[in-house]
Amino acid sequence: EAGVAQSPRYKIIEKRQSVAFWCNPISGHATLYWYQQILGQGPKLLIQFQNNGVVDDSQLPKDRFSAERLKGVDSTLKIQPAKLEDSAVYLCASSLGTNIQYFGAGTRLSVL
Amino acid sequence: ILNVEQSPQSLHVQEGDSTNFTCSFPSSNFYALHWYRWETAKSPEALFVMTLNGDEKKKGRISATLNTKEGYSYLYIKGSQPEDSATYLCAFLSNSGYALNFGKGTSLLVTP
Repeated sequence: EAGVAQSPRYKIIEKRQSVAFWCNPISGHATLYWYQQILGQGPKLLIQFQNNGVVDDSQLPKDRFSAERLKGVDSTLKIQPAKLEDSAVYLCASSLGTNIQYFGAGTRLSVL
Repeated sequence: ILNVEQSPQSLHVQEGDSTNFTCSFPSSNFYALHWYRWETAKSPEALFVMTLNGDEKKKGRISATLNTKEGYSYLYIKGSQPEDSATYLCAFLSNSGYALNFGKGTSLLVTP
């Protein structure tokens, strides 16, 4: 069974630039999550989708972050414009309901 | 945001040593407690999902216990090996929400 795929693995941008991350969850997993993990902290949920609907986006900085999950499968997370404090690992995960979450390898973003 | 604390922050042991870490979480509104292992440059991997007070789970040399009444879980590694070197994350799921609330993790280094 293929795991959660994320791209790119690494991204370096300058502040005020835009960036987008892509996630392909495990086939059949209705629930998809985006987490932000800042160095020294635990992963923090940014947004959770159930199929193509948003379940929880309470911690998503909506002035600069946006996410979509077209057709309830792949998802993209965008930051526009990026700030220095957005430097982090962005993890995508998927699950069947509220059970075990399966994570991708993440995208490490550096904002200079 | 629910407070999940992990200790110690980091640990350095010799190969063959046994070790344990602690995760403390809110004792109210408990739904589940997840343990993940995150090796550098890899995806976080689920170790255990624990739901019942008094639960004990085992996977090879790794085991975990759960006390929901007092709000803590222990993760034990018996006879640590260098390949056990990773960050161990616990995450609390409340019965009043959808998001996993992660601790900051315990970083384990096992040297030969």
